[in-house]
Amino acid sequence: QVQLVQSGAEVKKPGASVKVSCKASGYTFTSYDISWVRQAPGQGLEWMGWISAYNGNTNYAQKLQGRVTMTTDTSTSTAYMELRSLRSDDTAVYYCASGSSFEYWGQGTLVTVSS
Amino acid sequence: DIVMTQTPLSLSVTPGQPASISCKSSQSLLHSDGRTYLYWYLQKPGQSPQLLIYEVSSRFSGVPDRFSGSGSGTDFTLKISRVEAGDVGVYYCMQGIHPVTFGGGTKVEIK
Repeated sequence: QVQLVQSGAEVKKPGASVKVSCKASGYTFTSYDISWVRQAPGQGLEWMGWISAYNGNTNYAQKLQGRVTMTTDTSTSTAYMELRSLRSDDTAVYYCASGSSFEYWGQGTLVTVSS
Repeated sequence: DIVMTQTPLSLSVTPGQPASISCKSSQSLLHSDGRTYLYWYLQKPGQSPQLLIYEVSSRFSGVPDRFSGSGSGTDFTLKISRVEAGDVGVYYCMQGIHPVTFGGGTKVEIK
């Protein structure tokens, strides 16, 4: 069955960077795009961007342009999301989701930004 | 960006009774390719979101037929024909025309 397993929780200071991983299994990795969605505490869902696992093409939310980079490693079926210059309002659970309809989701990674 | 507006904000439903959630978009979600990119997700307490409905009315694999989606253009509806205890959580609509945006969510609880 399709599984997306994300890396563990992170605590970062303002201005630092974080890199979250999302390891896929149960399907051909390059067949599905990977999207990243975040959810601030008690809030709704916010789309961050998308990467094609087939060719590495990306599309980022405008508000994150310049701070976010999404990559994939097809040899390990793993997607990565790096967010730089962290601020307190980046504190959120970060999810990866695969498929054009976001069919499959990872378990989420809590990133806490605090001084 | 396309704004997605869900109503109501919350819903308290007696088990076995129906429930309905509305989602309105600020622009038509009918793409030039003829498809309408409207999706519904359920986020159960403490869990990741899960896909229920894609492209307005197609149920994802394993989703009970108690769940149905309808609508066109800018107005969409998710209906649960008979609510069960396991249906509690927050329901989100999402539009898939770049950039992707989500509705604010509708919290469903059991009376």
